[in-house]
Amino acid sequence: GAVVSQHPSRVICKSGTSVKIECRSLDFQATTMFWYRQFPKQSLMLMATSNEGSKATYEQGVEKDKFLINHASLTLSTLTVTSAHPEDSSFYICSATGANEKLFFGSGTQLSVL
Amino acid sequence: SQELEQSPQSLIVQEGKNLTINCTSSKTLYGLYWYKQKYGEGLIFLMMLQKGGEEKSHEKITAKLDEKKQQSSLHITASQPSHAGIYLCGAVSGGTSYGKLTFGQGTILTVHP
Repeated sequence: GAVVSQHPSRVICKSGTSVKIECRSLDFQATTMFWYRQFPKQSLMLMATSNEGSKATYEQGVEKDKFLINHASLTLSTLTVTSAHPEDSSFYICSATGANEKLFFGSGTQLSVL
Repeated sequence: SQELEQSPQSLIVQEGKNLTINCTSSKTLYGLYWYKQKYGEGLIFLMMLQKGGEEKSHEKITAKLDEKKQQSSLHITASQPSHAGIYLCGAVSGGTSYGKLTFGQGTILTVHP
């Protein structure tokens, strides 16, 4: 079964609203979680690295005020897309790793902003 | 920064044929992951390679990492329609957080029955 759960799998929202995506590690403590974005027919691009209890590290070109990441516990990281616009429509996927250094991906979230 | 180049970008084969996808890195690979994906869905882990010259197999899929650790190949034997999808290689580069991957652009595989 899945060891990293991502929710929701699909979300449609109106332009200007905020959307929260959750990434949970189900049976291990995820000290580090990663958030990726994938546009149609393109590869996954890392957005940010999230360490439990500290601020996320964002990749160059990713607006930290636009994409709020919270990793408040060892099993949950959230990505909030604030004031979403149609250009934010994309596939967002998280991954998580812990002390055993195994890496697991969530099932992804397809965001559509109207 | 590390860059991964996958080739070919797309591949169409007849069922039963063998095929190879390559992943070339601009820097030494400290870990190389192979994933399969269908658009709008999550990643299916295939294999992870770390040692130069390492080769792993799972069912009809074999992945190798060359001795210099800058190129990996994924080989599918006797392809089936179920093999169709997007194949992604992802690399861990030295000095970065474990699990932080740089991905290739993907190879779209179509298998005709």
